[in-house]
This record gives sequence, C-alpha cells and structure tokens, in this order.
Amino acid sequence: GDSVTQMEGPVTLSEEAFLTINCTYTATGYPSLFWYVQYPGEGLQLLLKATKADDKGSNKGFEATYRKETTSFHLEKGSVQVSDSAVYFCARYSGNTPLVFGKGTRLSVIA
Amino acid sequence: EADIYQTPRYLVIGTGKKITLECSQTMGHDKMYWYQQDPGMELHLIHYSYGVNSTEKGDLSSESTVSRIRTEHFPLTLESARPSHTSQYLCASSDPGGGGGQFFGPGTRLTVL
Repeated sequence: GDSVTQMEGPVTLSEEAFLTINCTYTATGYPSLFWYVQYPGEGLQLLLKATKADDKGSNKGFEATYRKETTSFHLEKGSVQVSDSAVYFCARYSGNTPLVFGKGTRLSVIA
Repeated sequence: EADIYQTPRYLVIGTGKKITLECSQTMGHDKMYWYQQDPGMELHLIHYSYGVNSTEKGDLSSESTVSRIRTEHFPLTLESARPSHTSQYLCASSDPGGGGGQFFGPGTRLTVL
C-alpha cells in the first residue's frame, strides 16, 4: 500500500547549521505531499505542501521540492534556529483516503 | 488559523472508567480523524469520518468508538479505560477541496492508572 519513509532521528544540530530531513514516498498515483511540524505539547501544524512534480513548497525558511523521478520530498532549511526544535512529519495524500504519515523525525537545535 | 478544539487537554483517570474525548471544529469540514500518537511520536489513524453518520475504522485497531451526529463534532469514547490506553490522542479535520491537508487540534493526553 501507500507509504512514506522518512529518516530516523533524532537529529541534533547547532544553531545556524543546514538541515535536511529525507522523505521518500510510494509512487502509486499522483499524490500531494506535505510536511507537518509538531512543537512540544501541541498538535501538528502544516508547514508546507506541494501538489505536483517539480513544485516547491516553502514556509518559514523551510523548503521541499516534489521530485517524481526519485519519489522524494526532502525538507531543507539553510540556517536552523533553536525555535525550530520540533518533530517533523512527511505525509502523502492520494485520492479520497486519509493522509499517510511517515514516522516522524525529532530535531533538536542547540545554541 | 484553524479552529479545531479538543477537550480535555489532559486527563488522568482510573482503570475501568468510561471516558469521552471531545473534538469540535468550526470550519464546516466534512472529513474528521482521530489519531493515537506513540511516545515515540508515530501517528496511528484509529477512526475517521467523511460526513454525518459516516464512521470508519483506521489502520490501528482500537477499543474506542466514535460517532458523528453533527458535522462539527466527532467525539471518541472508551467504555472501560485501561492502562494500555494511555497515550496522546489527536483530532484532525480536512476540507474535501483542500487537497488533502489536515488541520489538527492540540491533542488530549490521557493517562489511565
């Protein structure tokens, strides 16, 4: 069935470091792709999305490009801040079915 | 800003009690969902609904039940809580025209002693 695989964490970075969190998805259909972020003690918030191949989603300095050829949607940020410490979830949506989430990647940014 | 609410935010109860976790949204979304979240963060879909009087079980078998009598309200009930039900429960909703993106509530952290 449909699935999303994202890199396992935890990921620990120093402030201002470059961030990449890898995400790959199963290629059935033409899914829309999402990144969600969960801050401590909160629900998930939509961070960015892309609905078709080569689309780039961006928000708050984060970016991800929908790569059909590699079935990937990697999350990147050029310079992380302590406030970016959170859990990040990659997800795919196809047809009239609920979102399929990856297992989440915990990011810790230290000053 | 998404308007989806969950109450209570935290609940500690004893084994055998019946509990209902409330979820409401004011966006008029037809689709609503319940997730159980591991301490290890992974989300498990336990129930969803695509409209009034429609409910489906999710990927993870759960002893909980849900109802959808009104569009805006999607409560989850445990008839007899057990320590194994201790978890974070997240409610979400989505707009059919929204391309699949879901809006999440803040969650209910349930502890069963």
